[in-house]
Amino acid sequence: GAGVSQSPSNKVTEKGKDVELRCDPISGHTALYWYRQSLGQGLEFLIYFQGNSAPDKSGLPSDRFSAERTGGSVSTLTIQRTQQEDSAVYLCASSLDLGSDTFGSGTRLTVV
Amino acid sequence: AQSVAQPEDQVNVAEGNPLTVKCTYSVSGNPYLFWYVQYPNRGLQFLLKYITGDNLVKGSYGFEAEFNKSQTSFHLKKPSALVSDSALYFCAVRASSSGNTPLVFGKGTRLSVIA
Repeated sequence: GAGVSQSPSNKVTEKGKDVELRCDPISGHTALYWYRQSLGQGLEFLIYFQGNSAPDKSGLPSDRFSAERTGGSVSTLTIQRTQQEDSAVYLCASSLDLGSDTFGSGTRLTVV
Repeated sequence: AQSVAQPEDQVNVAEGNPLTVKCTYSVSGNPYLFWYVQYPNRGLQFLLKYITGDNLVKGSYGFEAEFNKSQTSFHLKKPSALVSDSALYFCAVRASSSGNTPLVFGKGTRLSVIA
């Protein structure tokens, strides 16, 4: 597609459940990033994939968070045993080079 | 470590007046600098970027920004604000020497343009 696509756009889940968030990047973009935007906060880096290299997981807040990127394209961010503090907007971005970061519309996650 | 500061949480300006949203940064080496805008319940939309060359960068919707290396600033400006410019604005930086690493964002500035 022409842009970065994220699904679902909204997700309400019960505390303790697992959730999966999907990101479909721009075709050909080698880098893919996940960020989290909490209410009143800026964007917090979570995890980053670059080509076939091992992902940079240094931003993941706990071991309940994981992500994978299959075939160098679609990525899934998984949050296990969700907590209320996980409620946020999760943004995905992809880029081809150092100056072409394009963001999706995000997934708003609400943990009740 | 890289960092971005947006010193104003909120900027209010009257429609038709010029607007400035401030951004300063800290990075080792040469920076790549970006401005993004976020409308309610939307993702981030790219406005403009500085990579190299002319310090004055022109972007979407009539916005521009000036890279000032001595002051490590990249303030966003527009000569005449519109009500439709009201949104949340983020400044971001990436070190040119660090490869395609994640952007580091400021906390954002909420711009309110009053008719």
